[in-house]
Amino acid sequence: DGGITQSPKYLFRKEGQNVTLSCEQNLNHDAMYWYRQDPGQGLRLIYYSQIVNDFQKGDIAEGYSVSREKKESFPLTVTSAQKNPTAFYLCASTIGDIYSNQPQHFGDGTRLSIL
Amino acid sequence: ILNVEQSPQSLHVQEGDSTNFTCSFPSSNFYALHWYRWETAKSPEALFVMTLNGDEKKKGRISATLNTKEGYSYLYIKGSQPEDSATYLCAFSGLANFNKFYFGSGTKLNVKP
Repeated sequence: DGGITQSPKYLFRKEGQNVTLSCEQNLNHDAMYWYRQDPGQGLRLIYYSQIVNDFQKGDIAEGYSVSREKKESFPLTVTSAQKNPTAFYLCASTIGDIYSNQPQHFGDGTRLSIL
Repeated sequence: ILNVEQSPQSLHVQEGDSTNFTCSFPSSNFYALHWYRWETAKSPEALFVMTLNGDEKKKGRISATLNTKEGYSYLYIKGSQPEDSATYLCAFSGLANFNKFYFGSGTKLNVKP
């Protein structure tokens, strides 16, 4: 079955440590996204990528980094510069074609906590 | 940052009640409005993609309308069931960057048996 796989489901970060969240899709989608959700808030966009080897900052990119070396993969690194990383992180993808008007598909999320 | 607002924030209804909630978004440079259902412990699931002013879409007991001129969309659930309990999210994208989505904070619906 096609879909989006996020790993790990739960992740703990020590002070000063960088951690990487994995997102893989086998839907052949061009566009991929990372969102953050905090309690009582909606999804806020961290980074998105419309095509391989290209990505753009979202509204809350500070303290995060991404890469898009393969169409299927869009890993997110939470750096030590992100002072409040405890949150739920969702990865999503969509076809990305202006004519297709397709919805986003989401992974099951990663919950990141500080030790 | 574009502002997408959803109301109410939460809603408690009895089984069998019909209910509706609102998503407000910028009325200029509209490209698409998405509705998603997000059940606890699952990933968000797409309900509707709406693109044209006056669009009405239906999926079983759930329907949605779109008014791009005034910048709002309504989601209706007829005869709510306990399995409808979820958070309902809307997401707006504009012509300037159709691949960038702005989400509202969601309406959390609880349907009591």
